[in-house]
Amino acid sequence: QKEVEQDPGPLSVPEGAIVSLNCTYSNSAFQYFMWYRQYSRKGPELLMYTYSSGNKEDGRFTAQVDKSSKYISLFIRDSQPSDSATYLCAASSMNTGFQKLVFGTGTRLLVSP
Amino acid sequence: ETGVTQSPTHLIKTRGQQVTLRCSSQSGHNTVSWYQQALGQGPQFIFQYYREEENGRGNFPPRFSGLQFPNYSSELNVNALELDDSALYLCASSLRGSYGYTFGSGTRLTVV
Repeated sequence: QKEVEQDPGPLSVPEGAIVSLNCTYSNSAFQYFMWYRQYSRKGPELLMYTYSSGNKEDGRFTAQVDKSSKYISLFIRDSQPSDSATYLCAASSMNTGFQKLVFGTGTRLLVSP
Repeated sequence: ETGVTQSPTHLIKTRGQQVTLRCSSQSGHNTVSWYQQALGQGPQFIFQYYREEENGRGNFPPRFSGLQFPNYSSELNVNALELDDSALYLCASSLRGSYGYTFGSGTRLTVV
């Protein structure tokens, strides 16, 4: 079993839709949760970063973490064609003494005009 | 402020050969990590360097090795290349203790 599970998609939505992207994780030691966006032929770009449980909002993006169910979500409001990319969730703990991100496989999002 | 730059962007090598990939960290960042991203998969942690020493390694064999230089630039070396080493290799820099990773665009390695 992978430590972070993510549906690979693709997820196709019309422009303006609300998008929900989700991940589950199995390691209870994870305390830091991140969402990265990756365009084709580019490196991942940090979108949101959350510590422990709770919500965090940044513009059209909202990240949620529920540690009791080990569930991570990213919501995108008013989706735009420029949001079409692969979205990677990642989790980490500092128990190992160094920073190691554990990624999901990524969900490919397609927003059509 | 410059980002993370990696070279080369693409590389084709033959099985059994050795390869060196290079990374220049973002200005002010003192920690560098390397990740391997196979096609259709998420990045997997290879190792991390801080103060020119490896301070963490993922589940990769010893033929994957690295260096970090005083100017915080870094190299990833892979010996005895295998076909399964074909992937996108990503370098990420950060400040130690921070989760503000900045990734480069990666080097696409193809082993034939």
